[in-house]
Amino acid sequence: GENVEQHPSTLSVQEGDSAVIKCTYSDSASNYFPWYKQELGKRPQLIIDIRSNVGEKKDQRIAVTLNKTAKHFSLHITETQPEDSAVYFCAADFSGGYNKLIFGAGTRLAVHP
Amino acid sequence: DADVTQTPRNRITKTGKRIMLECSQTKGHDRMYWYRQDPGLGLRLIYYSFDVKDINKGEISDGYSVSRQAQAKFSLSLESAIPNQTALYFCATSERAGVGYNEQFFGPGTRLTVL
Repeated sequence: GENVEQHPSTLSVQEGDSAVIKCTYSDSASNYFPWYKQELGKRPQLIIDIRSNVGEKKDQRIAVTLNKTAKHFSLHITETQPEDSAVYFCAADFSGGYNKLIFGAGTRLAVHP
Repeated sequence: DADVTQTPRNRITKTGKRIMLECSQTKGHDRMYWYRQDPGLGLRLIYYSFDVKDINKGEISDGYSVSRQAQAKFSLSLESAIPNQTALYFCATSERAGVGYNEQFFGPGTRLTVL
């Protein structure tokens, strides 16, 4: 079935450290993998995405890597700051490009000063 | 600014009551979605609509129904609310995607409590 597993569920780091969140997905036909950030009391917002024709994408301090063979993708945040504290959700498009997303359960990241 | 809005923002209701959550958008997007968020379970898709005449069930549609009244409006109904439908509900929109993929824009959420 359509499933996305996300680990860890909680992550605590010191400011300036790196944080890594990992997701695995069930359908090898999935081609689009976005990451959403939800700050406390706010709506989820897209922070980065990757398509299956690339293995890595970077945007300043965040990067996403994709291993299609192993069916997993990861979010990397470097030089973490307190404002990175939030819940992060990975997702996969199981609809062949029609934007029907299945989300992971989320990772609560806490960055301590 | 073009946005996605939801009404009400908070609602407390009783078991067995019918309730409607409304979503409106000024983004001009064709696609609209309803999700529920529960602690530890992430965002789960309830229903999605690719245009006014195209409505589809998501992962957890049982106990819910939807209506796409216009391109800009997508309503979620609970015909007979039960306590385990207590959750945070989000509406989202995205542009039409053919071969490509598009960002989903979320509304502010509706916190529903069923007593």
